[in-house]
Amino acid sequence: DIVMTQTPVSLPVSLGGQASISCRSSQSLVHRDGNTYFHWYLQKPGQSPQLLIYRVSNRFSGVPDRFSGSGSGTDFTLKISRVESEDLGDYYCLQSSHFPLTFGSGTKLEIK
Amino acid sequence: EVQILETGGGLVKPGGSLRLSCATSGFNFNDYFMHWVRQAPGNGLEWVAEVRNKKNNYATYYAASVKGRFTISRDDSKSSVYLQVNNLRAEDTAIYYCTSLLDYWGQGVMVTVSS
Repeated sequence: DIVMTQTPVSLPVSLGGQASISCRSSQSLVHRDGNTYFHWYLQKPGQSPQLLIYRVSNRFSGVPDRFSGSGSGTDFTLKISRVESEDLGDYYCLQSSHFPLTFGSGTKLEIK
Repeated sequence: EVQILETGGGLVKPGGSLRLSCATSGFNFNDYFMHWVRQAPGNGLEWVAEVRNKKNNYATYYAASVKGRFTISRDDSKSSVYLQVNNLRAEDTAIYYCTSLLDYWGQGVMVTVSS
């Protein structure tokens, strides 16, 4: 199984500041069709996960441009600029290039 | 408006069974691959199972931790997906989410396995 190593576990940030979350996979996430099926989710307290970024760098509908995804192969990053209170919660990465699908262990974004 | 509603959860003894149901509306269900993802209390997300669409022969895939005990299925005529969970263990205790993974997520249904 592909292991998704997500860091940091906890990320204290100031409102208006910048946050960066890393996710590293134990093997390449390039699918045989050439695409990389790597995604980022936010789970706000008491809610279901919601998609932020799909296929590495594509913002989902309605996601502010403060969120950006980058990376390739085995190393991926989510950056959040101008952090707002509505951004607080648990962030997860997911790879769906290979079975079984695997999530990162999560990063809790909290106010410093 | 997209709606996804999971039902069928509850308290069950170890070794018991449940059938989770997920009724959807508001999107082209027949086109989507559907998944179950679970989250144990205080823990992260774990993918459980996937069922593909008719075009992909309704193929199914499972996490190793549930293979042989859980069965995912779908009924396109009802825009619904199901998860039959058998031989439940304490470690299956979790909120179970029905999801298309990228677009739509339900609110989840709680399964508690305890004697």
